[in-house]
Amino acid sequence: SQQGEEDPQALSIQEGENATMNCSYKTSINNLQWYRQNSGRGLVHLILIRSNEREKHSGRLRVTLDTSKKSSSLLITASRAADTASYFCATDFSSARQLTFGSGTQLTVLP
Amino acid sequence: ETGVTQSPTHLIKTRGQQVTLRCSSQSGHNTVSWYQQALGQGPQFIFQYYREEENGRGNFPPRFSGLQFPNYSSELNVNALELDDSALYLCASSVPQGGKDTQYFGPGTRLTVL
Repeated sequence: SQQGEEDPQALSIQEGENATMNCSYKTSINNLQWYRQNSGRGLVHLILIRSNEREKHSGRLRVTLDTSKKSSSLLITASRAADTASYFCATDFSSARQLTFGSGTQLTVLP
Repeated sequence: ETGVTQSPTHLIKTRGQQVTLRCSSQSGHNTVSWYQQALGQGPQFIFQYYREEENGRGNFPPRFSGLQFPNYSSELNVNALELDDSALYLCASSVPQGGKDTQYFGPGTRLTVL
């Protein structure tokens, strides 16, 4: 399978703490994207990092990409209860630009 | 709000029936992708349409078919429904941007097959 895999599967933290989620994949990619999903609803795009980039920031989000290790991490700083959701990494490796998703990390931020 | 809409929101069908799901893409987006998300899993790619032509297909049987219209809206059709087809069906629209394509997802259609 060429699917990305997130680690951990579930993460529970206190409000204000930082949350780190990791993603590993198996093939060379065009880009890697992180999405958030609230309770079985649509996915919200968070950030895209291209294969020639190593780090990107967006607000409280920081994404790193290590293509030699085929891994990425998503850091959410100063977490809030509203950050409670499932987080997915998705890799774009084909010419058709299809996304291959992992099984997600369920983040719970306790108030 | 991504500007991508899907209908219906929920749908209940029985095994063997056929279903059509609809997606309206974000304005200006000429590419629509469909995904199936089973409970507790990540979305799985079904197929993609670019300018009314199929532009890639995942590991789904031929009873999953689609269309894209000149206004770039799209339909997903599933024939001979099976119990395992119960899932959240997501569509996403995008514009090819040379390796930095961002896909914008709709809210999904929840299909239950009894």
